[in-house]
Amino acid sequence: NAGVTQTPKFQVLKTGQSMTLQCAQDMNHNSMYWYRQDPGMGLRLIYYSASEGTTDKGEVPNGYNVSRLNKREFSLRLESAAPSQTSVYFCASSKERGGPYEQYFGPGTRLTVT
Amino acid sequence: KNQVEQSPQSLIILEGKNCTLQCNYTVSPFSNLRWYKQDTGRGPVSLTIMTFSENTKSNGRYTATLDADTKQSSLHITASQLSDSASYICAPGGGYNKLIFGAGTRLAVHP
Repeated sequence: NAGVTQTPKFQVLKTGQSMTLQCAQDMNHNSMYWYRQDPGMGLRLIYYSASEGTTDKGEVPNGYNVSRLNKREFSLRLESAAPSQTSVYFCASSKERGGPYEQYFGPGTRLTVT
Repeated sequence: KNQVEQSPQSLIILEGKNCTLQCNYTVSPFSNLRWYKQDTGRGPVSLTIMTFSENTKSNGRYTATLDADTKQSSLHITASQLSDSASYICAPGGGYNKLIFGAGTRLAVHP
């Protein structure tokens, strides 16, 4: 039982390049989330998927797209990377979106855009 | 505007000592509050989840308190260990599990 896994762990991009961050969970959770964490700031929600087949914008969605490929997998795509997207990205999952269900986080992807 | 303020920003204590971390929040609607532990280079791990009607919840040496009237929460760590060195993040939750994360308190436990 691996929990939430993310790939890659580290990535360096040049401005304008694109890439996809992968996330998978093996806990049969319905809801999945993408956050970014910047120094001195709290985690901020980029996009979430309340259930398979649905996605919605979070607090900071500009410059990102997501795909809920199936119940297990939720990917985050940067179409044209910008230096402002340098951050650590965390994927999380929970049983449901509503209610005090625990959110389980992956190990993170550290992205640098030059 | 939803806001979370944690204090202190950083803290150094000696192994075996106790400490208390503070969290003040302005989140509406409010339904629950979580505390997370985040080791350097890793994802946050949940310590406690309290609903608005709960005043205290413990997880081993970690005890969280919540005063929903004053919008304050604290995390008390008893008999600290070197492995407690981490960032501790407060996250009040509103409707539909929408969490607002604080910037965290960085704790260093020295031998």
